[in-house]
Amino acid sequence: EAQLVESGGGLVQPGGSLRLSCAASGFTFSSYSMNWVRQAPGKGLEWVSYISSSSSSIYYTDSVKGRFTISRDNAKNSLYLQMSSLRDEDTAVYYCAKDGPSGSYEFFQHWGQGTLVTVSS
Amino acid sequence: QSVLTQPPSASGTPGQRVTISCSGSSSSIGSNIVNWYQQLPGTAPKLLIYNNNQRPSGVPDRFSGSKSGTSASLAISGLQSEDEADYYCVTWDDSLRGFVFGTGTKVTAL
Repeated sequence: EAQLVESGGGLVQPGGSLRLSCAASGFTFSSYSMNWVRQAPGKGLEWVSYISSSSSSIYYTDSVKGRFTISRDNAKNSLYLQMSSLRDEDTAVYYCAKDGPSGSYEFFQHWGQGTLVTVSS
Repeated sequence: QSVLTQPPSASGTPGQRVTISCSGSSSSIGSNIVNWYQQLPGTAPKLLIYNNNQRPSGVPDRFSGSKSGTSASLAISGLQSEDEADYYCVTWDDSLRGFVFGTGTKVTAL
């Protein structure tokens, strides 16, 4: 069974930086595309970023372009989100989510438990 | 960047059929498949329906999905108390070049 464990969240001042990590186990990490999805307190879900299995394709939602960088280390079974120039509106629980097999349309098939990022002075 | 519109709430008595709509555009739902997710209170979302109408193993068959044109729907037939949750649709948007979630619908069993 796929397991995803996020870490790295915490309190950061506006303009600061933070690096989130997602440790994957229970599946062949290098074969699957991955995503970050966030949820502001009391709000709905918002997709943040996507990375393909080989890192050849990367996409971001407009509001984080130029500030966030998604990456992965297939040797370490880990997904990352480097966040900089953080704003109050980036406050959210950040989930990493694994896609299903290529071509299956099962995007966001499995989710981690999330890590809370709070941007506040 | 939410460009998929859902009703904020839906409700029914146990055993009733509840339907949730998800309205998009030609560049989103009109051109791509739709998935649905269930989020129980205080938990991470769970994949409920993929590829418009497919259920992952373990999802009860009282949940069904459909798509027509630029809209999609999730139906819960025989509503149960444990179905009380938030439900989200999601698809890829060709114009935005990214995934877009619906605004979310809170389902209540009366």
